[in-house]
Amino acid sequence: SQQGEEDPQALSIQEGENATMNCSYKTSINNLQWYRQNSGRGLVHLILIRSNEREKHSGRLRVTLDTSKKSSSLLITASRAADTASYFCATDGNRGSTLGRLYFGRGTQLTVWP
Amino acid sequence: EPEVTQTPSHQVTQMGQEVILRCVPISNHLYFYWYRQILGQKVEFLVSFYNNEISEKSEIFDDQFSVERPDGSNFTLKIRSTKLEDSAMYFCASSDVFPDRTYFGPGTRLTVT
Repeated sequence: SQQGEEDPQALSIQEGENATMNCSYKTSINNLQWYRQNSGRGLVHLILIRSNEREKHSGRLRVTLDTSKKSSSLLITASRAADTASYFCATDGNRGSTLGRLYFGRGTQLTVWP
Repeated sequence: EPEVTQTPSHQVTQMGQEVILRCVPISNHLYFYWYRQILGQKVEFLVSFYNNEISEKSEIFDDQFSVERPDGSNFTLKIRSTKLEDSAMYFCASSDVFPDRTYFGPGTRLTVT
């Protein structure tokens, strides 16, 4: 399976703390994307990192990618209660084509307490 | 920011009935997808569509499923005879000329009773 798997499954922190979520995958990739999903809602794209990139920032988000370990991490700094959601990584599986199919992990449920 | 839209937001249907889920992908995108998420489970790929034909489908996408792009803007998923296990959130998605960032719609929650 090419699917990403997030770790931990659940994370509970206080507002202001940093949250780190990890993702591992099994095959080579072109890129890896992180998504957020509020309970019962749609998938919101957070950030995309390409296989030739090691780190990327977007606001309070920092994503790293280690292709040698087939892993990525998502760091949310200075978390807020509104960050409470499930976070998923999705890989494209580097199929050598432009098909764009994504493989999702099971997600990390982040709870930020006020 | 551009958006993928989906209708309806919630569909309730009886087992054995046909349903059509509708999506309007982002206007300049060329790759279209359907995914589903059964409650509490991971998001699963169903099908990708490019150049007016299916480019890939998963084992979930059996003969009961079909997709269509009836005009220049809509993209539909039809389930011919729904089963209880088809109850899920269905997400439409689209991506650019070269699949890159994938934009997801808000989803249609399908409940089969």
